[in-house]
Amino acid sequence: ENVLTQSPGILSLSPGERATLSCRASQSVRLNYLAWLQQRPGQAPRLLISGASNRATGIPDRFSGSGSGTDFTLTISRLEPEDFAVYYCQQYGNFPFTFGPGTKVEIK
Amino acid sequence: QVQVHESGPGLVRPSETLSLTCSVSGGAISGSTYYWGWIRQPPGKGLEWIGAVYYSGTTVYNPSLESRVIISVDTSKNQFSLKIKSLTAADTAVYYCAREPVNWGPGTLVTVSS
Repeated sequence: ENVLTQSPGILSLSPGERATLSCRASQSVRLNYLAWLQQRPGQAPRLLISGASNRATGIPDRFSGSGSGTDFTLTISRLEPEDFAVYYCQQYGNFPFTFGPGTKVEIK
Repeated sequence: QVQVHESGPGLVRPSETLSLTCSVSGGAISGSTYYWGWIRQPPGKGLEWIGAVYYSGTTVYNPSLESRVIISVDTSKNQFSLKIKSLTAADTAVYYCAREPVNWGPGTLVTVSS
């Protein structure tokens, strides 16, 4: 099983600041099939990034993904109020698919 | 735009079997190159992948749940289903279906209690 680790666990920032979230895999993610998901309180997760760096339909360009192999990063260039949420990475390159524990981005 | 939506009971008794259905609209399961999956989230916790099915009927499960889980697909109804047997309180969670990783359903809360 490919175990995903996310850091930091909590990120305290102000609106307008830049957020950098990390996801590290215990094994190389096949074909860089790494997704980033956003979950707001009381809502289902929604896809932000697939294939490590491809923004999903309708996702603002302040969200960007990078990385390959075992190390991946989600960057939010300038935080908007609606961006304060929990972010999960998921690898879907090998079964079983696995999720990281999440990073909570909170208002400082 | 493909949409998925979960349905099933909100309350199930311990030791019984949970049955959930995911209805797909806006696209056909048959012939799709995606896996159709089930994920759950206990209250206040993170996401746990349960398993997935391909349109052909091929299934893959989380080893930690494999002995209790069956996922199946009905392409004629454009639906796929989840069954988990021998439920305990630890199975209480919001259950999501998804066309992985792209489209997620709104989720359905399942409580295991007598």
